Amino acid sequence: DVKVTQSSRYLVKRTGEKVFLECVQDMDHENMFWYRQDPGLGLRLIYFSYDVKMKEKGDIPEGYSVSREKKERFSLILESASTNQTSMYLCASSSGMGNTGELFFGEGSRLTVL
Amino acid sequence: GENVEQHPSTLSVQEGDSAVIKCTYSDSASNYFPWYKQELGKGPQLIIDIRSNVGEKKDQRIAVTLNKTAKHFSLHITETQPEDSAVYFCAAMFQGGKLIFGQGTELSVKP
Repeated sequence: DVKVTQSSRYLVKRTGEKVFLECVQDMDHENMFWYRQDPGLGLRLIYFSYDVKMKEKGDIPEGYSVSREKKERFSLILESASTNQTSMYLCASSSGMGNTGELFFGEGSRLTVL
Repeated sequence: GENVEQHPSTLSVQEGDSAVIKCTYSDSASNYFPWYKQELGKGPQLIIDIRSNVGEKKDQRIAVTLNKTAKHFSLHITETQPEDSAVYFCAAMFQGGKLIFGQGTELSVKP
């Protein structure tokens, strides 16, 4: 089975803290994604990566950065957390050139910023 | 711009009834339309998808229809069961391989 593992299910951080959300996939997928899920807004793409050390901005990259040093790991970084970044964060991976196939999601990381 | 609109936001049906969720998309060049189901506490999971060269696809109790002229597609669930209760997301593939999701529909199937 494809497995996408997000290291933390629940996090509580303070405004201004640096936050790392880690994601690891075990199926040798080329493509990895970070989405943010908010009620009434669906899933919005923050950043994605089609290869190691490659990254592209999605629709809402402001306030976020990413790192992909190894194929299986894609990290989302909040340099200085703010209360409007309280949300559910979903990592996903897929195989193939670009993004043409099924996305496999992790179970999510619910972040609360106080 | 790139947009997917999904309706309704919530849907409540009796067990055994049918449920229909509708989505519209903005780019006529879009050619891939998946549907994801998210159960409580889990990540979304692909349940069915359709490409633009077909108008309908079925998989047991679920089916998806696509009207490219009108730029809308729908998910149909027949003979609903309590385990169908979940949040459903439609999505459309835009240029550059960007998958844009709809706002989600919370389906509740009452026994």
